[in-house]
Parts: sequence; C-alpha cells; structure tokens
Amino acid sequence: QSVLTQPPSVSGTPGQRVTISCFGTTSNTGSNHVSWYQQLPGAAPKLLIRRSDQRPSGVPDRFSGSKSGTSASLAISGLRSDDEADYYCAAWDDSLNGDDSLSGWVFGGGTKLTVL
Amino acid sequence: EVQLLESGGDLVEPGGSLRLSCAASGFTFSNHAMSWVRQAPGKGLEWVAVISGSTGVIRYAESVKGRFTISRDNYRGTLYLQMNSLRAEDTAVYFCSKEAAEVIYYEMDVWGQGTTVTVS
Repeated sequence: QSVLTQPPSVSGTPGQRVTISCFGTTSNTGSNHVSWYQQLPGAAPKLLIRRSDQRPSGVPDRFSGSKSGTSASLAISGLRSDDEADYYCAAWDDSLNGDDSLSGWVFGGGTKLTVL
Repeated sequence: EVQLLESGGDLVEPGGSLRLSCAASGFTFSNHAMSWVRQAPGKGLEWVAVISGSTGVIRYAESVKGRFTISRDNYRGTLYLQMNSLRAEDTAVYFCSKEAAEVIYYEMDVWGQGTTVTVS
C-alpha cells in the first residue's frame, strides 16, 4: 500500500480535460512540494511537474499541477492519444512511518490514464 | 545531453548479492543528489535510497535498510547500489535518477532506462 493515495485509473476522450488527485499527510504533501511523473508503456518515468506547479522545459502547457494542504492534483487538458500512460505523484516525507529519524521519498500507487 | 546508464542487473538466488552501477554524463555529477527507485513487475514505483551530491547524506527505504548500500564515486561519475541478502520481493527493474540539486529532497529530473534484477 502506497503512502500517497491516487485513483487507480482515469479516462477521457481526445480533447477533454482530466485531473488526477494525490492525497498525503502533513509529513509529506502537507509540508513539501509534490512532483509528478509520466511513465509511458515500457519506458522510464519522466518528470512532468516539479515543485508542485512548475513545468520543466519541454513539457507542454497542457499539463498543470496544483497543491492545497495535503492534497495535490495533475490536470491534463486537450487530451491526446499519446497521453495514455501511468502517472505518479511523489513527495519527500520528513517522518516515514512516524519516525522522525527516518525520511525519504514516497510515491503514489500510480494512475493509469486511458484515452477512449 | 544528460544521460544515466544503469548496469549490473542479473538473475540471482535468494540470499545472494549484486552490485548495480549507474554511469552519469552530461552534467556535473557531484552537484546533484542521486536516487535508486525500483518497480516490481506490474507494480508502481518504490523509492529505494538517496545520496546527496558531496556531503554524504544518505537515506534508505525501510524495506532495504541494513541490506542495501548506496554509494557514489564523484571522480568516475558513477552511482552504485550494493544489494545483499536478496529476497524474492526485491525482484524489480531498478532505475537510477538524478535529483535537481545537491541536497536530497529535490525532484528527480532525469531517469535512466533501468536494469532488471530477478531473485529466484
């Protein structure tokens, strides 16, 4: 079971807008930035959103991120067939398993986006 | 061009050991923290370990603590993961990733293609 909670799947039709949610706790998404990664079938993950809402150069502005409190979301507008992929959120956790001496990265379980 | 190339993945028996390497190029290696992230067959991403660029700060996931050791050689531009006491549940594709800064809590902005470890 992943520390961050994402819906297992979302779907949309070409041109539509979809959002993927990511829920965490005060020790991870509540106190640190969230990043989002896209993993196309058979490929390595690729950074899509950094620092909760910033797009790295080369990422289309159809992709946007936001964060409020302990939740974050990724929005994809103008959906295209080649957006079909798995999407993961991640955040630094200051206190893994409630132990302040442990810290590290936590990921969501991933969301499979299907373009109908 | 920034590149990360993992190697060392193999089929190993339970209880065995393996050392993974990640050769980096196209950036100043010592200026960036580096992580290992793994993905079991058909599963999601699981962070394994992180090491800072040059200050020696290291963190491990609880699932590998005491069995895996992350290290780096800044002169050779190479990241390592020494894996001991391997278990079936360590079977995964192991990715190395570059973080956006020297410190250990910035996003992973470049990923390698991965190397496959099978424990059976």
